[in-house]
Amino acid sequence: AQSVTQLDSQVPVFEEAPVELRCNYSSSVSVYLFWYVQYPNQGLQLLLKYLSGSTLVKGINGFEAEFNKSQTSFHLRKPSVHISDTAEYFCALLGSGTASKLTFGTGTRLQVTL
Amino acid sequence: DAGITQSPRHKVTETGTPVTLRCHQTENHRYMYWYRQDPGHGLRLIHYSYGVKDTDKGEVSDGYSVSRSKTEDFLLTLESATSSQTSVYFCAITAGENTEAFFGQGTRLTVV
Repeated sequence: AQSVTQLDSQVPVFEEAPVELRCNYSSSVSVYLFWYVQYPNQGLQLLLKYLSGSTLVKGINGFEAEFNKSQTSFHLRKPSVHISDTAEYFCALLGSGTASKLTFGTGTRLQVTL
Repeated sequence: DAGITQSPRHKVTETGTPVTLRCHQTENHRYMYWYRQDPGHGLRLIHYSYGVKDTDKGEVSDGYSVSRSKTEDFLLTLESATSSQTSVYFCAITAGENTEAFFGQGTRLTVV
C-alpha cells in the first residue's frame, strides 16, 4: 500500500515571504514523487518531479523540493512568494512496478496576501 | 500540451441514471487514470489502466466501472448515478512508471 500525507490544508503567507509546503509519503517499493499546482477552475500542472539522482529538484516558477528518504518526505519550498502563487498544491507518489498507481495527497491551499 | 481530452466537460444528470465519461488521448501512453476531486479530499483514484483491457480498482471504485478497448480511450461509467457522485472528474495519462502524469481539463458532473 502507498499513501501521501499533506498535513497542512491551508497555508497563509505574505507576499515576498518564504514558504514550505510539507509532504510525507509511505510506500513499500521505490517511489517517484511529484508536486502539481492547480489554479482555480483549471486542471493540474506539473511543478517538479523527483525520479532519481540529486535529491534537490528545481521546478517551474522558482519552486524547489528536497527528497529525504530517511524521513520519507518531499517538502516544497519557495524563497519568496508572489500573489500569483495563490493556488492548490498537490503532492503525488508513483510506485514502481508494472501496475503502478499514482496517489495524491489531499492538497494544500496556498494563500498569498499583500 | 499533452493530447488528452475529456468529454463531456459539464453534465447534469438525474439520480439513478447511467452516465459515461470519456477520456481520449493522442499520446499512445500506456497508463490511464480516473480521479475524482472533492473539497478536503484532494484527488482520489477511482480506477486505472495499465494497458488495453488491463484495469484495476483505486480507493473509491464502488459504483464505478471502466473499460479500455483501445489504447487511446478510457471510459468511466457510473452505473446508477447518486448525489454522492457529484464531483469533478479528472483523467490522467502517463507513459511509464518514471514519468509524470498529464491531466485533462476535468468534467464537472452534477447528480440531482
